[in-house]
Amino acid sequence: DIVMTQSPDSLAVSLGERATINCKSSLSVLYSSNNKNYLAWYQQKPGQPPKLLIYWASTRESGVPDRFSGSGSGTDFTLTISSLQAEDVAVYYCQQYYITPYTFGQGTKLEIK
Amino acid sequence: EVQLSEFGGGLVQPGGSLRLSCAASGFTFSSYGMSWVRQAPGKGLEWVSGFSGSGGATYYADSVRGRFTISRDNSKNTLYLQMNSLRGEDTAVYYCAKAVAAADVFGHWGQGTLVTVSS
Repeated sequence: DIVMTQSPDSLAVSLGERATINCKSSLSVLYSSNNKNYLAWYQQKPGQPPKLLIYWASTRESGVPDRFSGSGSGTDFTLTISSLQAEDVAVYYCQQYYITPYTFGQGTKLEIK
Repeated sequence: EVQLSEFGGGLVQPGGSLRLSCAASGFTFSSYGMSWVRQAPGKGLEWVSGFSGSGGATYYADSVRGRFTISRDNSKNTLYLQMNSLRGEDTAVYYCAKAVAAADVFGHWGQGTLVTVSS
């Protein structure tokens, strides 16, 4: 199985500042035939199901604010929130969908400093 | 509007069985991949099982293969998860999730149903 490892486990950022979450996969999730990275990011707030933010490593889901961006390729990926808002407090997960079983990172808890 | 509603959770003894249902509406159910994802209390997300795309292929996590069976009834717009030989570590909120059109990622989720395995 592909192991997804996120860093850090928790993060405190001031309002308006940049937040960066990293995700590393144990195997490359870049599919050479279409040059796409099979990597997604989700946001989960307390008591709610997860919400899809980004897929193909950098494609923003419809309706997701443009302060959220994804980057990276192969085995190393980053979710960036350019200017943290109060409503961004949540746990963030990366997920590979390159091969089943699909696997998630352990989650990164983002708080306000 | 896409809606997913899970049913069937509850308290079950170790070794017991339970069947979860997910009623879907607001989209052409037969055309989309569907999965079950679970979350143990206070823990992270774990993909459990799924149908990829609109085809009939099914996939399972190693932790449930041979004990859980996923199925779908496209005439009823319903996804199922038959869970047998339940263990304490199966205790979790079980979410039904719909894939987006462009990729096998989960763009819509239900609110989840809690399964508690305990004597």
